[in-house]
Amino acid sequence: AQKVTQAQTEISVVEKEDVTLDCVYETRDTTYYLFWYKQPPSGELVFLIRRNSFDEQNEISGRYSWNFQKSTSSFNFTITASQVVDSAVYFCALRPMNTGFQKLVFGTGTRLLVSP
Amino acid sequence: GAGVSQSPSNKVTEKGKDVELRCDPISGHTALYWYRQRLGQGLEFLIYFQGNSAPDKSGLPSDRFSAERTGESVSTLTIQRTQQEDSAVYLCASSLGVGRRERTGELFFGEGSRLTVL
Repeated sequence: AQKVTQAQTEISVVEKEDVTLDCVYETRDTTYYLFWYKQPPSGELVFLIRRNSFDEQNEISGRYSWNFQKSTSSFNFTITASQVVDSAVYFCALRPMNTGFQKLVFGTGTRLLVSP
Repeated sequence: GAGVSQSPSNKVTEKGKDVELRCDPISGHTALYWYRQRLGQGLEFLIYFQGNSAPDKSGLPSDRFSAERTGESVSTLTIQRTQQEDSAVYLCASSLGVGRRERTGELFFGEGSRLTVL
């Protein structure tokens, strides 16, 4: 069985603060992908990042960074110097790598509110 | 079009009526998914189509729910005898799918169809 847990339902920060969104996953598969999606108020989910289970190197993209720790089954997402436009619901997701079925299992999401 | 298109964007219906929701995936995407998102909740998988293979219907919550897809084009999600608990945003997504070089599972989502059952 696969499960993604995002324990933080809502986080509020003030602009320019750094914020970390937690994601913990469970899977019996030895190889898998992890994802983060952003859902702005418009409702359309936007892909942010994909990570392979065999690549634990952290990744940075502008103000976004991701910390993948296989030992703790976590894939946390940090936004540095947050901006109002970062306000959205963020979803973490998991998919096995070596199956024909590409179903993504999503967490329940973390709502981020960035105030000016 | 360039993205996944869903219609209607909003649908209000009375309990007991049938509704149809439409999804037009990105051209060339062989995989198509339906997810449901209740207010303040995460995404709940409903059904998955991959090319001409039999769809995975494991997420459909009851036999009132069904979906069809013709080839690799438009899909229709049908909810019969709607109930108030069916109220949600129904999200469609597409991806390049299995068998292609790109198997990373990146899904491209539409903006969803918001269903309200009175």
